[in-house]
Amino acid sequence: SQQGEEDPQALSIQEGENATMNCSYKTSINNLQWYRQNSGRGLVHLILIRSNEREKHSGRLRVTLDTSKKSSSLLITASRAADTASYFCAQDTGANSKLTFGKGITLSVRP
Amino acid sequence: DAMVIQNPRYQVTQFGKPVTLSCSQTLNHNVMYWYQQKSSQAPKLLFHYYDKDFNNEADTPDNFQSRRPNTSFCFLDIRSPGLGDAAMYLCATSRDERGGGEQFFGPGTRLTVL
Repeated sequence: SQQGEEDPQALSIQEGENATMNCSYKTSINNLQWYRQNSGRGLVHLILIRSNEREKHSGRLRVTLDTSKKSSSLLITASRAADTASYFCAQDTGANSKLTFGKGITLSVRP
Repeated sequence: DAMVIQNPRYQVTQFGKPVTLSCSQTLNHNVMYWYQQKSSQAPKLLFHYYDKDFNNEADTPDNFQSRRPNTSFCFLDIRSPGLGDAAMYLCATSRDERGGGEQFFGPGTRLTVL
């Protein structure tokens, strides 16, 4: 399977704390993307980091990429209850326009 | 606002009764995808269209078919739904730039098979 793995599988934190989620993958990538999915809804794109980038920021989000370790992390700073969702990393290998999604991390932010 | 629309949001069908799910987009993207997502699992790609070119995943059952009559619309046909086909079906689009790009998802259709 080409599927990557996220860890932890579930994360519960207090509002205001930072949340760190990790993703490992198996193949060479063109870019890696992170998506959020609220319960019963579609996925929403959060951020894309290309293979030649090491770190990227977007608002309260910070993503890092280590291609030598085939891993990425997503940091959400100053979490809010509204950040409660499932988060997926997805690898774009540059072949056939497809993404390979990991199994996802369930984040719960307690008010 | 440009978006991806899926209808219906909830679909109930009977075992073996054909069902069609629809997806439309106003983004004018050339690539459209259909994913199946079961509870607490990753989205699983069923197939995708690159323009009019249909690309089926090797492990997508023959029971699943797709049509893309034009750029804006794409349909998922399940010829004989089984209980195991109950899932969320997600449509997505992308403007493929050959260097990868983000995918834009619809809200999904929750399929129940009785």
